Amino acid sequence: KQEVTQIPAALSVPEGENLVLNCSFTDSAIYNLQWFRQDPGKGLTSLLLIQSSQREQTSGRLNASLDKSSGRSTLYIAASQPGDSATYLCAVRDNYGQNFVFGPGTRLSVLP
Amino acid sequence: EAGVAQSPRYKIIEKRQSVAFWCNPISGHATLYWYQQILGQGPKLLIQFQNNGVVDDSQLPKDRFSAERLKGVDSTLKIQPAKLEDSAVYLCASSPIGRESNQPQHFGDGTRLSIL
Repeated sequence: KQEVTQIPAALSVPEGENLVLNCSFTDSAIYNLQWFRQDPGKGLTSLLLIQSSQREQTSGRLNASLDKSSGRSTLYIAASQPGDSATYLCAVRDNYGQNFVFGPGTRLSVLP
Repeated sequence: EAGVAQSPRYKIIEKRQSVAFWCNPISGHATLYWYQQILGQGPKLLIQFQNNGVVDDSQLPKDRFSAERLKGVDSTLKIQPAKLEDSAVYLCASSPIGRESNQPQHFGDGTRLSIL
């Protein structure tokens, strides 16, 4: 059974810092991995989706990498801003099922 | 394009009562998902529909939860009777097609359910 963990659970940084969020999964037979952002009281917004054959995806100040063999993904946020404050979740879609298994999320606070 | 619509936004009921949630997916999206998100955790899939057929309901507590998607568009999720542990946010998401799709899921803002 696929399990997804995220470290750290919470992170507080000053504005302007570059930061890395980590996601680990136990079964490397994945179809794709997706990073989401969730603001308080809101649903999830998709940030980046990486196919199993890809190593990384970039969108603006965000870069996500995938190392399928080691069961890890990282989300890199460059030059963080207070507006980046939110909970970031990763989710994997495996080859056996059709749904996503989510991690518990990392709560990020970027201080002005 | 209009996003995934959910209602109500909030619901407070007493245990053993019944409750229903409604979801209207993005137009043209064949796949619809219901998730349960308990405070401090990631969403957990309850049921997945493709058009009006159930693809996966392995984590749906079928003794108390039910869901339907008539005509392959709107969907309702019902809990009867509710238990204290059902307090959570219920999220609906949709995507164009199933596992073959590389398109991300689009989420609604959810219904926050509190059981007293």
